[in-house]
Amino acid sequence: AQKVTQAQTEISVVEKEDVTLDCVYETRDTTYYLFWYKQPPSGELVFLIRRNSFDEQNEISGRYSWNFQKSTSSFNFTITASQVVDSAVYFCALSEGTGANNLFFGTGTRLTVIP
Amino acid sequence: DAGVTQSPTHLIKTRGQQVTLRCSPKSGHDTVSWYQQALGQGPQFIFQYYEEEERQRGNFPDRFSGHQFPNYSSELNVNALLLGDSALYLCASSLFRAQNQPQHFGDGTRLSIL
Repeated sequence: AQKVTQAQTEISVVEKEDVTLDCVYETRDTTYYLFWYKQPPSGELVFLIRRNSFDEQNEISGRYSWNFQKSTSSFNFTITASQVVDSAVYFCALSEGTGANNLFFGTGTRLTVIP
Repeated sequence: DAGVTQSPTHLIKTRGQQVTLRCSPKSGHDTVSWYQQALGQGPQFIFQYYEEEERQRGNFPDRFSGHQFPNYSSELNVNALLLGDSALYLCASSLFRAQNQPQHFGDGTRLSIL
């Protein structure tokens, strides 16, 4: 069965600090996709990144970076030099290679960046 | 290019009533998925519609039903409302089986059951 675990419920950092959000997943499929979404107070889920199970290359986009390690079933997300606008709930999600793209979400990590 | 739009934004109902939530997908998308997000939790998949048929369903009772129209818009219906149905209901659109593309979410409908 599929499962996504985000062990960090809440994290607070001071502005300009780096912060890493952890995500551990479980799946029996060999083909799957991993996602990170940001949910600001407005409620909309904003897509940040997608990785497929065959591509373990780490990715950097501006202040954001992602570390995908199949050996530990982890897909961690790092924000460098955090800003107040980064305050939100962040969700890690999994989509299995069953032909349908429904997402299984973790419980989310609430990040608060203190000015 | 309009994104995913949901209506209404907020809704208050009482136990036992029925509710209908509406969703218009992002332009170019043909698939609509519905998710329920309880307070402090991650979204949970309810079901997915493509070509006006339910294609996938999560672990939700038959009180939750849906419909997709020829213009790809969708409705979520919940009958015999329970207090536990209070949640943010999110609609997401995508291209069918396009797992290489992310789902796009609307702002959600916040449903409160009294």
